[in-house]
Amino acid sequence: GENVEQHPSTLSVQEGDSAVIKCTYSDSASNYFPWYKQELGKGPQLIIDIRSNVGEKKDQRIAVTLNKTAKHFSLHITETQPEDSAVYFCAASNGAGNQFYFGTGTSLTVIP
Amino acid sequence: NAGVTQTPKFQVLKTGQSMTLQCAQDMNHNSMYWYRQDPGMGLRLIYYSASEGTTDKGEVPNGYNVSRLNKREFSLRLESAAPSQTSVYFCASSNRDRLTDTQYFGPGTRLTVL
Repeated sequence: GENVEQHPSTLSVQEGDSAVIKCTYSDSASNYFPWYKQELGKGPQLIIDIRSNVGEKKDQRIAVTLNKTAKHFSLHITETQPEDSAVYFCAASNGAGNQFYFGTGTSLTVIP
Repeated sequence: NAGVTQTPKFQVLKTGQSMTLQCAQDMNHNSMYWYRQDPGMGLRLIYYSASEGTTDKGEVPNGYNVSRLNKREFSLRLESAAPSQTSVYFCASSNRDRLTDTQYFGPGTRLTVL
């Protein structure tokens, strides 16, 4: 099966700085890569996703890049704000069997 | 729309007891999922149901059973709880098709097995 690795496990940045979280995957058949944000005591919520026919996708302060050759994808948050503090998960899916494989999460803290 | 709802929010069991976690979605989604979340291990799929009437094992199905009662509801049963099943359980749903695989998660059930 798929193996998704996520780094770093914890990340602290000053408010206004950028944050980058990286994930690698093992199954070359994976073609859908969502990112989820989980706030304390809540379920994960999708914030952005990318498909394998796209190299980069941006939504306001959040962007995701995908390198299919190297099998890695990254989440970029610019101009971080305290409300960005949460745990972020990456995931990969090959579109078959309805199975998603999640990374182990990154706890992001934005220091005011 | 309430989205995905789960009951109960918290539960404490003794080893060997049984219980059922309930999940319902009002988004008319075809697919539903049960995950467990443990510290440092992310989310792991227990069971999923691609459509009403079907269920399949995920990554960690041992010790669990599921029922897709109808299109809205998907329950997870622990027949004989063990301390290793202490975890936070999330239900999710999606209307997976060629255009989107977005999963929507419920708020979770925090289960402690003593």
